[in-house]
Amino acid sequence: GAVVSQHPSWVICKSGTSVKIECRSLDFQATTMFWYRQFPKQSLMLMATSNEGSKATYEQGVEKDKFLINHASLTLSTLTVTSAHPEDSSFYICSAPPGGSSYNEQFFGPGTRLTVL
Amino acid sequence: DAKTTQPPSMDCAEGRAANLPCNHSTISGNEYVYWYRQIHSQGPQYIIHGLKNNETNEMASLIITEDRKSSTLILPHATLRDTAVYYCIVRVARSGDKIIFGKGTRLHILP
Repeated sequence: GAVVSQHPSWVICKSGTSVKIECRSLDFQATTMFWYRQFPKQSLMLMATSNEGSKATYEQGVEKDKFLINHASLTLSTLTVTSAHPEDSSFYICSAPPGGSSYNEQFFGPGTRLTVL
Repeated sequence: DAKTTQPPSMDCAEGRAANLPCNHSTISGNEYVYWYRQIHSQGPQYIIHGLKNNETNEMASLIITEDRKSSTLILPHATLRDTAVYYCIVRVARSGDKIIFGKGTRLHILP
């Protein structure tokens, strides 16, 4: 299957700093990517849809000014957590659906664990 | 609103078949049943999907009832590596559409 990578796999930062997480589709192009957040013992919560060349679409309750998304190319989307606070500590996961009719599923990255001190 | 209902947890002995149920009584005619699983601290992994016929691949089998209101994912010979949270999702078969995850079933494989 197609491969999606994330970088970094984990990050620890101080409160008030910003953290950038990258999501890359390694062997296919993705005009759309999705960002999820997952707290311990909970399910994945969709945060936003990243659209190549246009603004991201955020789910209700997600602060777009805090979670900046940039989808500058067909293989890269970035999520920047601005002015991070301890409550932003979570597991962030991206997914990318390959284009074309041969795929009906999405492929997920391995996740990035963010810890804000 | 949750479109699927799954038991929160299940146990299965290693080497036995694991049968994970899912209820989706409000499924629409053009919606498929998808299964993903998430091993601890990893991203979700696609397992299988189907519309109305039973499906089988190298990972699992999917049995969908004739009225399509429920389905069962079968892992034929469960191993310890199958310990994960299994998510049953109903959605149209367009890979570009967003996926909304429910709470899933936490499957424990017992040695």
